[in-house]
Amino acid sequence: NAGVTQTPKFRVLKTGQSMTLLCAQDMNHEYMYWYRQDPGMGLRLIHYSVGEGTTAKGEVPDGYNVSRLKKQNFLLGLESAAPSQTSVYFCASRTTTRTDTQYFGPGTRLTVL
Amino acid sequence: DQQVKQNSPSLSVQEGRISILNCDYTNSMFDYFLWYKKYPAEGPTFLISISSIKDKNEDGRFTVFLNKSAKHLSLHIVPSQPGDSAVYFCAARGLSGGSNYKLTFGKGTLLTVNP
Repeated sequence: NAGVTQTPKFRVLKTGQSMTLLCAQDMNHEYMYWYRQDPGMGLRLIHYSVGEGTTAKGEVPDGYNVSRLKKQNFLLGLESAAPSQTSVYFCASRTTTRTDTQYFGPGTRLTVL
Repeated sequence: DQQVKQNSPSLSVQEGRISILNCDYTNSMFDYFLWYKKYPAEGPTFLISISSIKDKNEDGRFTVFLNKSAKHLSLHIVPSQPGDSAVYFCAARGLSGGSNYKLTFGKGTLLTVNP
């Protein structure tokens, strides 16, 4: 049971390039989330999904797109990367049980030059 | 507008003493509060939680206190150990159906426990 995994662990992009971050969970969780963490800013929600085929905007969605084609995967896309998107990205998942917590992946460190 | 506030960016304590991390919130619709712990280069891990209908929850060395009237919660770690050195995030969840799925996080407090 790997829990929540993220691919890649590190990436360096040039401004204007695109990329996709992959999050996978093997716990059969319905809900999945993408966060970014910046120094002094805590964790901010980018997008989330409450089930396969559904997505919704979080607190800071601009510049990102997401897809949840399979229940176990949640993809975060950057169509045209900007230096402001330099950050550490975390994926999380949870069950539908009201008192359940979110389980986080190890993170992806992205640098946009 | 920051709905969950951790006003102390850092805290340093001696091993064996008590660590108290504080968190304030502004949204009275929050019904569930959680603390997460994060080591460098790792994802946050769940530590302890408390429902808004309680004022205390204890798990081993960790106790969370909730003061609803003051919209304040605190995490007590007794005794503190060097392995507790990490960033601690306070998080809150809303009551309404839409926000029930989402957590709002504070900015975190870096705890350093000195041997």
